[in-house]
Amino acid sequence: DGGITQSPKYLFRKEGQNVTLSCEQNLNHDAMYWYRQDPGQGLRLIYYSQIVNDFQKGDIAEGYSVSREKKESFPLTVTSAQKNPTAFYLCASSREFLYEQYFGPGTRLTVT
Amino acid sequence: DAKTTQPTSMDCAEGRAANLPCNHSTISGNEYVYWYRQIHSQGPQYIIHGLKNNETNEMASLIITEDRKSSTLILPHATLRDTAVYYCIVSPPTGLYSSASKIIFGSGTRLSIRP
Repeated sequence: DGGITQSPKYLFRKEGQNVTLSCEQNLNHDAMYWYRQDPGQGLRLIYYSQIVNDFQKGDIAEGYSVSREKKESFPLTVTSAQKNPTAFYLCASSREFLYEQYFGPGTRLTVT
Repeated sequence: DAKTTQPTSMDCAEGRAANLPCNHSTISGNEYVYWYRQIHSQGPQYIIHGLKNNETNEMASLIITEDRKSSTLILPHATLRDTAVYYCIVSPPTGLYSSASKIIFGSGTRLSIRP
């Protein structure tokens, strides 16, 4: 089955630790995205990648980093510099940049 | 960046058509209207998109006004499984290195379906 996977579903970390969220797609999509969602709010764009080996900052990139070394993978690292890292993180991909996006199930990160 | 305005919440009786409005009065001529929905604690799901003409697929219909300043998503026969938050967004055209304009998912419309 083609799709987009995120792991783990729930993640707990201590403050001051970096953590990496996984996102993998087997849809052969060129573009991938990371969003953050806080309770009761919409989605905010963190980073996006239009093609492999390329990525750009979204609206709220501070405290986050990404890499796009393989077409199917777009991991997100939440660094200790991110002031409020506790949130629901969603990864998405699309055939072309800005075309219809397919979302993963999300990772709920809690930092205490 | 084009922004959208949607009602915070709506409800609809099961089996009836659900009509969800969206205002996007600052939309540019080449920007698309996209609709997604998010069922509680899941990733959003793509529904439909359009530029100028009305569109229909197996999930819904999209009606865009002639001036393109507003649109309506129609779920023709709502079921309990359609209970979700519906997002209307405006997006630049697709393509490599297209505009880096922000993709704005606002708070959406929370649609409740009554049995």
